Amino acid sequence: DIQMTQSPSSLSASVGDRVTITCRASQGINNYLAWYQQKPGKVPKLLIYSASTLQSGVPSRFSGSGSGTDFTLTISSLQPEDVATYYCQKYNSAPFTFGPGTKVDIK
Amino acid sequence: EVQLLESGGGLVQPGGSLRLSCAAPGFTFSGYAMNWVRQAPGKGLEWVSGISGSGATTYYADSVKGRFTISRDNSRNTLYLQMNSLRDEDTAVYYCAKSLLRYSFDAFDIWGQGTKVTVSS
Repeated sequence: DIQMTQSPSSLSASVGDRVTITCRASQGINNYLAWYQQKPGKVPKLLIYSASTLQSGVPSRFSGSGSGTDFTLTISSLQPEDVATYYCQKYNSAPFTFGPGTKVDIK
Repeated sequence: EVQLLESGGGLVQPGGSLRLSCAAPGFTFSGYAMNWVRQAPGKGLEWVSGISGSGATTYYADSVKGRFTISRDNSRNTLYLQMNSLRDEDTAVYYCAKSLLRYSFDAFDIWGQGTKVTVSS
């Protein structure tokens, strides 16, 4: 099975900072990659699918890129409401594995 | 409004069984693959199982294969997860989640609120 890794596992940044999270697949998955945001105590929310397509209603400060094995999620200007754990997920074929998550908080 | 409503969670002893349900009003249920995802206390998300819109195709994580069975009743717009031979490590909040696009396994755009399963003696 394809394994998903994320880095860093956590980060602390200031409001307004540009934040980048990396997700890597152990084998190529084309662009079948999604990013989710889970705020503390809340249900996960789809942010990006097909590696770079912003889900409806998601602020434009979120963006995704990559294809094959290496992907990034970027928050162009970190806001207090972005404090959350972010997960990547592959969905090219089962199992639809999630990455271990990246916890983002405000410095 | 599209929403998913899980039920059926609770406390069960190791080796026991439980059936989770996910009611899915508000969209053409039979057109979409559905999934179960779980989250153990303080841990990350773990995909558990998926089923195609017709129910003909099912997938399972290795951790639950042979113990859990996913099914759906399209006439009742309801998804199920039958969990047998439960173990301590199955303790988690279980979410049902809808695939984004019709007729394919895709990213999960709608999630339920989750139902808590605790396996303990």
